[in-house]
Amino acid sequence: QVQLVQSGAEVTKPGASVKVSCRASGYIFTDYYMHWVRQAPGQGLEWLGWINTNSGGTKYAQKFQGRVTMTRDTSISTAYMELSRLRSDDTAVFYCARALAVDQPLLPADCWGQGTLVTVSS
Amino acid sequence: DIVMTQSPDSLAVSLGERATINCKSSQSVLYSSNNKNYLGWYKQKPGQPPKLLIYWASTRESGVPDRFSGSGSGTDFTLTISSLQAEDVAVYYCQQYYSTPFTFGQGTKLEIK
Repeated sequence: QVQLVQSGAEVTKPGASVKVSCRASGYIFTDYYMHWVRQAPGQGLEWLGWINTNSGGTKYAQKFQGRVTMTRDTSISTAYMELSRLRSDDTAVFYCARALAVDQPLLPADCWGQGTLVTVSS
Repeated sequence: DIVMTQSPDSLAVSLGERATINCKSSQSVLYSSNNKNYLGWYKQKPGQPPKLLIYWASTRESGVPDRFSGSGSGTDFTLTISSLQAEDVAVYYCQQYYSTPFTFGQGTKLEIK
């Protein structure tokens, strides 16, 4: 079955960077775009961007431009999201989420990782 | 950015009754070239990731009970649960995927009356 398994919780300091991984299984990794979404404690959902897992091309939300980097390693079917210059208000659960159909970015996400809590605290 | 606004923020409905959640976008999410509304609905329970219920505004995702339905076009959309079950207690979000950044509504918390 389709599954996305994310790396474990992180605690980090303001100004540092964090890198979250998302290992995919049960489908052809390079056929589907991967989105990244975050959710601050008790808050709503916020889209960070997507990565074309085939070409490596990315599209980031303007809000995160310059701070976020999405990459992938096709040999191990894993996507990564790195967020730099962290602030306390970056504390959130970060999700990877697969686009609904092959080769299309303009789609909702039908399969989500379990989430990775990133806590930014001095 | 397209702003998505849901109403109400919270809703209490009796078991077996109908629940209706509205979502309004600040600009149309209807692509004229394919006549599709780039609008989805998600359900999220505490401690869990969101679950896709509806896409293209009215297409039910595989495995989603048929008591869930979506309607609307352009800028105004509705998610309807025809007969509320206990397991439907959750927060519901609409999302536009017409243009980046993809944006979500603020969420509607659905509870049992």
